[in-house]
Amino acid sequence: SQQGEEDPQALSIQEGENATMNCSYKTSINNLQWYRQNSGRGLVHLILIRSNEREKHSGRLRVTLDTSKKSSSLLITASRAADTASYFCATDGFVGKLIFGQGTELSVKP
Amino acid sequence: SQTIHQWPATLVQPVGSPLSLECTVEGTSNPNLYWYRQAAGRGLQLLFYSVGIGQISSEVPQNLSASRPQDRQFILSSKKLLLSDSGFYLCAWTGLGAGGYTFGSGTRLTVV
Repeated sequence: SQQGEEDPQALSIQEGENATMNCSYKTSINNLQWYRQNSGRGLVHLILIRSNEREKHSGRLRVTLDTSKKSSSLLITASRAADTASYFCATDGFVGKLIFGQGTELSVKP
Repeated sequence: SQTIHQWPATLVQPVGSPLSLECTVEGTSNPNLYWYRQAAGRGLQLLFYSVGIGQISSEVPQNLSASRPQDRQFILSSKKLLLSDSGFYLCAWTGLGAGGYTFGSGTRLTVV
């Protein structure tokens, strides 16, 4: 079953621009996580935000969480061609398993 | 440091043949272990997870099974593969204080 749904499904931007991806989910969560996947590779954990947190930063990444709207956003600032990848949100709902959304495919053109 | 190994990287198997994919974790004890499947261009579907030796939870009824014979070993199996079993299989682990999940590099299975 899918919990998180990302929007947009695909995003194409120029290098240096900011990229914003959104995620919506349906049930209560313990935390929400964002992952990155380069084509044909495994997923890499980017950032985790707990249900009692509203914003978190890691380098060029900024994640927000609005539990009242059951939504999160991932902002990548000053994007680079190397940021080209698929980005997934995933929710941890207190039962020890992570449920992923369908992902956003980001293309950063040099 | 913790590492996760998953093999093989690619596999082409005929319909009706058996399957065994192995995943091992190093550098940690009592990890939670997971098998996910990813269809082309889509998100990850949780197949199985395990919180301890011999403890397997199945998320989706299907042609696959999982076993955890040792603390840091997780095996995905099938007795007879179907065409619909094709996909990208990912093993992952997490544990106390780990933050997020750590994924293996995946196995691309093509059933022909």
